[in-house]
Amino acid sequence: AQRVTQPEKLLSVFKGAPVELKCNYSYSGSPELFWYVQYSRQRLQLLLRHISRESIKGFTADLNKGETSFHLKKPFAQEEDSAMYYCALSPLSGGYQKVTFGTGTKLQVIP
Amino acid sequence: SQTIHQWPATLVQPVGSPLSLECTVEGTSNPNLYWYRQAAGRGLQLLFYSVGIGQISSEVPQNLSASRPQDRQFILSSKKLLLSDSGFYLCAWSVVGTGNTIYFGEGSWLTVV
Repeated sequence: AQRVTQPEKLLSVFKGAPVELKCNYSYSGSPELFWYVQYSRQRLQLLLRHISRESIKGFTADLNKGETSFHLKKPFAQEEDSAMYYCALSPLSGGYQKVTFGTGTKLQVIP
Repeated sequence: SQTIHQWPATLVQPVGSPLSLECTVEGTSNPNLYWYRQAAGRGLQLLFYSVGIGQISSEVPQNLSASRPQDRQFILSSKKLLLSDSGFYLCAWSVVGTGNTIYFGEGSWLTVV
């Protein structure tokens, strides 16, 4: 079974402070990890994927297989980062693979 | 480019009435299609997915059903709505070869009264 845990429902940080949104997963095989974001009045959309190893809007996430984590980080939070963030997991193989989402963390950046 | 359309955006229905939410995808062929429900504190719950016309898999037992009459059309239905069916419903799609990235519609708010 695959499972994604986001322990924080709400994370409040001041503008300019570092951000870390936690994500832990449980899966026996090789996973593919994602972060999705939903800004106010916008649709849920992909933020980044671990296999792309890219930085999007200043956010990065590193897959730590030893700790089974995929935390989302940004060194300096901006007000426009306020949104709902979901971590997701999918088996890393071809064909249809079920994507499992966490319960989400609401990030609130205080001006 | 690919787009996904979902309607209606909001719906208020009485208990016991039927439901039909519709979703269409443009710009791609043979997509995987999904219906999710998004609830505060519960995240995204996968309700149904479909890998082809007429092929529907249900993830959780419930009062809802799904159908895929055409390649790029996905419909969420109920014969008799319950109060507990109220929520935010998201249609989504993915294509093999895009690394299981899921693309979401704008969602439909359903309030059962």
